[in-house]
Amino acid sequence: ETGVTQSPTHLIKTRGQQVTLRCSSQSGHNTVSWYQQALGQGPQFIFQYYREEENGRGNFPPRFSGLQFPNYSSELNVNALELDDSALYLCASSQGQGTRFEAFFGQGTRLTVV
Amino acid sequence: AQSVTQLGSHVSVSEGALVLLRCNYSSSVPPYLFWYVQYPNQGLQLLLKYTTGATLVKGINGFEAEFKKSETSFHLTKPSAHMSDAAEYFCAVSVRSGGSNYKLTFGKGTLLTVNP
Repeated sequence: ETGVTQSPTHLIKTRGQQVTLRCSSQSGHNTVSWYQQALGQGPQFIFQYYREEENGRGNFPPRFSGLQFPNYSSELNVNALELDDSALYLCASSQGQGTRFEAFFGQGTRLTVV
Repeated sequence: AQSVTQLGSHVSVSEGALVLLRCNYSSSVPPYLFWYVQYPNQGLQLLLKYTTGATLVKGINGFEAEFKKSETSFHLTKPSAHMSDAAEYFCAVSVRSGGSNYKLTFGKGTLLTVNP
């Protein structure tokens, strides 16, 4: 059974650029959720994908967007990067419609916007 | 709206001492509650979860937590701290994000330091 993997592990971007982060869900899981964890804070829910459709969204602007593919892997895209987007981005996979019972997290992508 | 409050952003204990990390929740419906641990530069690892049934939940690495509805609490304990327990701990509640979908809402975390 493979776990949740994210790529890249670290990334440095310039303000105004666009970034794509990737996540492979755990085998057998059909739901992927994305979280933003700013330094010293708890993770904040960005959005969730279930069977390739967005299935819930947190309080994040539209420049945060995503995709889920038929193999249930997922991408998080952020346009027009701002300095405040610097954070650890965590992907979590689960079975069923959302993290009602248990979510498994990847190691995260550390994004630095300069 | 469901939320989680972790009391104490930093807890320091001696090796071998009791670990107590506090978590209170706010929920209008029966909650699903979780504790996660995060080691430096890593993702989150599930320690334990409460869904239904027994209110005393045992997790990995000797941790346990008790769901107390009357106190709206889900405190995490370990009888004897080990140096390897030093990490950040997050309490979370699972809430509906729309329709039949659920998301995790996290507390701000408690950094546990273990002194030799």
